[in-house]
Amino acid sequence: AQSVTQLDSHVSVSEGTPVLLRCNYSSSYSPSLFWYVQHPNKGLQLLLKYTSAATLVKGINGFEAEFKKSETSFHLTKPSAHMSDAAEYFCVVSDSNFGNEKLTFGTGTRLTIIP
Amino acid sequence: EAQVTQNPRYLITVTGKKLTVTCSQNMNHEYMSWYRQDPGLGLRQIYYSMNVEVTDKGDVPEGYKVSRKEKRNFPLILESPSPNQTSLYFCASSLFGRTDTQYFGPGTRLTVL
Repeated sequence: AQSVTQLDSHVSVSEGTPVLLRCNYSSSYSPSLFWYVQHPNKGLQLLLKYTSAATLVKGINGFEAEFKKSETSFHLTKPSAHMSDAAEYFCVVSDSNFGNEKLTFGTGTRLTIIP
Repeated sequence: EAQVTQNPRYLITVTGKKLTVTCSQNMNHEYMSWYRQDPGLGLRQIYYSMNVEVTDKGDVPEGYKVSRKEKRNFPLILESPSPNQTSLYFCASSLFGRTDTQYFGPGTRLTVL
């Protein structure tokens, strides 16, 4: 069974400081992992994804995430926050077993940027 | 423009009155799915479809139906809506399946009185 836990429901950082959004997953098979971002009153947009290639994944807008199997984590980071990063972020997991095409979303982390 | 469209964007209805939310994509995508978003619960997958006439349950399918008669369309049907189905609904599509980038529609805010 697949599941995902986002450890913080709300994160606040100052503009120009690093961002860390934490995600732990549970998977019975080799997982595919994703981060999606949702800006206010908008649909979701893919930031980055891991599908069993390089463990350090680079995404759009300077975000990156590292797949750590030993820690079952897929934390999202950015070196320097920008005001436009204020949004809700979702970690997503999907087991790579034959016949499974479900996606399981975390409960989301709201990122606030302090000017 | 490549996009996923949903209609209506806002809907207020009453308990028990059947309704359909339409979803259409113009990208020739194989995979389509429906989600509901509730505060504190994130997005939960209701149903997904791998191709025409192929649909399967997600994590919260109770009270919903779907059909996939054409590749581009994936309507969500609530045969007898109840207040606990008040939510924000998103349709999404991707080229082949779950590991591809999901493209989301703008959302439909449904209120069931």
